[in-house]
Amino acid sequence: ETGVTQTPRHLVMGMTNKKSLKCEQHLGHNAMYWYKQSAKKPLELMFVYSLEERVENNSVPSRFSPECPNSSHLFLHLHTLQPEDSALYLCASSRTRDRAETQYFGPGTRLLVL
Amino acid sequence: AQSVTQPDIHITVSEGASLELRCNYSYGATPYLFWYVQSPGQGLQLLLKYFSGDTLVQGIKGFEAEFKRSQSSFNLRKPSVHWSDAAEYFCAVDTNAGKSTFGDGTTLTVKP
Repeated sequence: ETGVTQTPRHLVMGMTNKKSLKCEQHLGHNAMYWYKQSAKKPLELMFVYSLEERVENNSVPSRFSPECPNSSHLFLHLHTLQPEDSALYLCASSRTRDRAETQYFGPGTRLLVL
Repeated sequence: AQSVTQPDIHITVSEGASLELRCNYSYGATPYLFWYVQSPGQGLQLLLKYFSGDTLVQGIKGFEAEFKRSQSSFNLRKPSVHWSDAAEYFCAVDTNAGKSTFGDGTTLTVKP
């Protein structure tokens, strides 16, 4: 138990659906992250939030829309996804955005797009 | 741009044997280096990290890693592997710009 929870753990959706992934951290951290882990590809950093402001967006398609309403919660809104978006989506948090800080990962949401 | 190479996709060792997982990076300056472990169905857990100072870094679960600037390597070692160490291991690099790059991972199987 890392103090970072993600829901749902598994999600199957069609290409026309709209769904949201939720991440919650109970560590009092100020930075939160979304990563994508695809089969046979390295882990990719998608978004970074620091003090509820998006500070990094690594060329992620607009069909992925993050939201950080407060420092404890992070959402990833999904719409009109493609089958190649099927992956494990990992959330992480750290005390600050400083790269020296340890990131704590949630267990991930396994997404399948049909 | 920085890159990370983990040359071994899959490694099998016997329980009690020593382990070394290789990691090579490409980056102009001294990077921040990390090793993570991921068990099936779980997120990543940090094993250890290197920023500066002593090039031999101790981590959790009995792991250590050595930064060798001349070889651009940051190999992970453990003297005696336990069955619970079976997992996937990722090496990662962070640069001054805060960009994180991960290797493809090495899957460790432990034989009884």
